[in-house]
Amino acid sequence: QSALTQPASVSGSPGQSITISCIGTSTDLGSYSLVSWYQHQPGKAPKLMIYEVSQRPSGVSNRFSGSKSGNTASLTISGLQADDEAVYYCCSYVGSRSSVFGTGTEVTVL
Amino acid sequence: QLHLQESGPGLVKPSETLSLTCTVSGGSISSNSFYWGWIRQPPGKALELIGNIYYTGSTYYNPSLKSRVTISVDTSTNQVSLKLSSVTAADTAVYYCARDRDYGNFDYWGQGTLVTVSS
Repeated sequence: QSALTQPASVSGSPGQSITISCIGTSTDLGSYSLVSWYQHQPGKAPKLMIYEVSQRPSGVSNRFSGSKSGNTASLTISGLQADDEAVYYCCSYVGSRSSVFGTGTEVTVL
Repeated sequence: QLHLQESGPGLVKPSETLSLTCTVSGGSISSNSFYWGWIRQPPGKALELIGNIYYTGSTYYNPSLKSRVTISVDTSTNQVSLKLSSVTAADTAVYYCARDRDYGNFDYWGQGTLVTVSS
């Protein structure tokens, strides 16, 4: 199973909205609405931000939202803040207890 | 609050076996419905699921690593272990343990531990 494709980097100014894409295939994103997104900041454990395409765990800001269409999932961060700087990874369930991750996107707040 | 902590040697020689332990605190590893996974990230590469285990001992292994991987659970110590045999430089990576609440939703992660394979 190949990694999902994400842009290497995305940047935006404080207050702006950015969207990170996650491109897969018909055997992963195209087959399952089981997409999760993770925020990874240096020195910290990765943090679950979105699950099941668009659900937010308790405590995650509603500035984070997710969607999916066909073989592409997206994470949108609205009202960008300095603390949002991190690497973001998407992940798709692919059946039989297996998952595949994205290549990761570094978000920079200008 | 659940806390996961990976531990083990940071340097392993080629052809030897990499052994890591994930200690879970703040909750029982025997809780229903959760799987416990090992995930790694080689330098400059994507995260990769190595495998996962249910507290009963039921396992899943990534087919690309299946012949070399063993994941086990010790409910008495609340620990999950990873063994990866016959390692090469390609196994150099940060190794994470994580709780899978269901269908690849990893809601708790350890901070990760860097393992370097080198003589």
